[in-house]
Parts: sequence; C-alpha cells; structure tokens
Amino acid sequence: AQSVAQPEDQVNVAEGNPLTVKCTYSVSGNPYLFWYVQYPNRGLQFLLKYITGDNLVKGSYGFEAEFNKSQTSFHLKKPSALVSDSALYFCAVIGYNFNKFYFGSGTKLNVKP
Amino acid sequence: NAGVTQTPKFQVLKTGQSMTLQCAQDMNHNSMYWYRQDPGMGLRLIYYSASEGTTDKGEVPNGYNVSRLNKREFSLRLESAAPSQTSVYFCASPPSGSYNEQFFGPGTRLTVL
Repeated sequence: AQSVAQPEDQVNVAEGNPLTVKCTYSVSGNPYLFWYVQYPNRGLQFLLKYITGDNLVKGSYGFEAEFNKSQTSFHLKKPSALVSDSALYFCAVIGYNFNKFYFGSGTKLNVKP
Repeated sequence: NAGVTQTPKFQVLKTGQSMTLQCAQDMNHNSMYWYRQDPGMGLRLIYYSASEGTTDKGEVPNGYNVSRLNKREFSLRLESAAPSQTSVYFCASPPSGSYNEQFFGPGTRLTVL
C-alpha cells in the first residue's frame, strides 16, 4: 500500500530562517512524490514533484525538496522563509496504478516576522 | 482557461436533505477526482473517474454517488446528508500521463446540521 506521513502538525520558524517540512513515505515500487500548498480558503496548489533523477528537486516560490531513498523521506525546504509562506503543506504519493493520490495529514507552517 | 471550477462555494443542509456538488474542467483532461478535507486528516479520496463513462470508489465512498456526465463535468451527490459529511470538498483533475500533478478547484464548504 502507498502512504505518506507528515510527523509534524505544525512548524514554527522566524522570517529569514531556513525551513523544513518533513515527509516520509511507504510505497511498493518506485516512489512518485509531490508537495502541495494550501492557503486559507483556497484549493491546493502544486509546488514540486520527484519522479526520477536528481535527488534535489526545485519548485515554485523558492521551495525545494530532497529525496532520500535510504531514509524514505521527501522533506520540503526553503533557505529563507517569508511570512507569506505561512500556509498548510501537504505531501502526496501517487499510487502504483497511477490513478490515485495519497495525501499526508498536512503540516501548518507559521512564519513569524 | 478557468481550470477546475466548483459550485456552490458554500452550502448548509439539514440532516436527510440531498444535494449535488458540481465540478467542471476546461483543460480536456481525462481523469477527475473528488476529495474531502477534514482537519488533521488531509485529503481523502471519495470517488474518481479515469475517463468519461467510468467511475471508481476511493477510500471513503459511503454516502456518496457520482456521475461523469461528459469529459468536462464530474458531479458528487449526497442522497441523504449526515452531520459526518460536514467537510470541505475538492474536485481535482490531472493532465493525461502517469506522473502528473493534480489541478484543484477552489472547494465547496458543506455544513450538515
């Protein structure tokens, strides 16, 4: 079965500091991993994805994610957080038949001025 | 392109009432999905349609029915609403292909009293 876990309900970081939002995965077969962001009262927006290749994936708004096969992790990172990055972040994995996405429970990121 | 649109944005129902949530996409995608979002539980798949004329159950299909009316439209029906169906409902659609991210609609916030 495919699944992802986000171990932190909330992450607090000061503006200008680096941020990390954690995600671990459990899949049968190759992992195809995604990060989405949700701003209040909005739908989810795609940030980045890992399919194959370079373990460091760059995405929208200065975000990047590091795929680590040995630790089965796909953590979202940004070198310098902005207050406007405050939102709900979801990790997701695509199912083995490519028809279904499985989402984590979400991590609320709070960036304080 | 409007992308993925959903109607209504908000709805309040009484227990036992029925309603249909509408979703449309103008991106000529084959697949469409319905999710519900509940606090601390991420997004859970209700139903999906891999192509026009086909529908399949997701993780939490009980109490719902769907219709893939044509390639553009995928509706979700609650025949007899229950308070446990109070949630935010999202429609999503990915481009064709195995590893593509989903595009999400703005959501419908449903309250069942």
